Amino acid sequence: LAKTTQPISMDSYEGQEVNITCSHNNIATNDYITWYQQFPSQGPRFIIQGYKTKVTNEVASLFIPADRKSSTLSLPRVSLSDTAVYYCLVGAHRAAGNKLTFGGGTRVLVKP
Amino acid sequence: DSGVTQTPKHLITATGQRVTLRCSPRSGDLSVYWYQQSLDQGLQFLIHYYNGEERAKGNILERFSAQQFPDLHSELNLSSLELGDSALYFCASSLTTSGSTDTQYFGPGTRLTVL
Repeated sequence: LAKTTQPISMDSYEGQEVNITCSHNNIATNDYITWYQQFPSQGPRFIIQGYKTKVTNEVASLFIPADRKSSTLSLPRVSLSDTAVYYCLVGAHRAAGNKLTFGGGTRVLVKP
Repeated sequence: DSGVTQTPKHLITATGQRVTLRCSPRSGDLSVYWYQQSLDQGLQFLIHYYNGEERAKGNILERFSAQQFPDLHSELNLSSLELGDSALYFCASSLTTSGSTDTQYFGPGTRLTVL
């Protein structure tokens, strides 16, 4: 699985947009980019997944440039409840031998 | 609520003991995954079962074993417990169809404390 690099932590304020960039220089052709959110003592929660360009859902947007060597998770108008650790994962999802390799994640603190 | 259930929620035991953690996947999901999360190691993949068969192994110790039953629930058995086994253990499930992007849905976890 491709190795990912993301900032250790980020601070923001309520109502602001938070952008977290993840580097994945050795991403493979069939790899997808997936982001998970984890609150303390809870299991990670799927946020968004993409392969290229832009993906948007009710929670976030994911921007992926043409070379796919990085991606940016965008959280619009964050609230205090968005304080969590955000993980960027890159890998192919197959029926056989699937696993997720979590890095250190980005700890986002939203302040009032 | 992800639809994945795990029992028990908390478990306190002593070194040398054996425990069993249980996971019920979301309805319709064929794959079950186990992860360990400790303060100093982050989230570590342990093992993946698909429709009753082991499909992938991560950094799972020989003292640990798992299985997935015909009704698709899974159990993680931890034996000869050591202090360092204290951690949160998560189960995740996914549909896992060929060609799917196979999003994993995590349960609430079991907090294991070894004294």
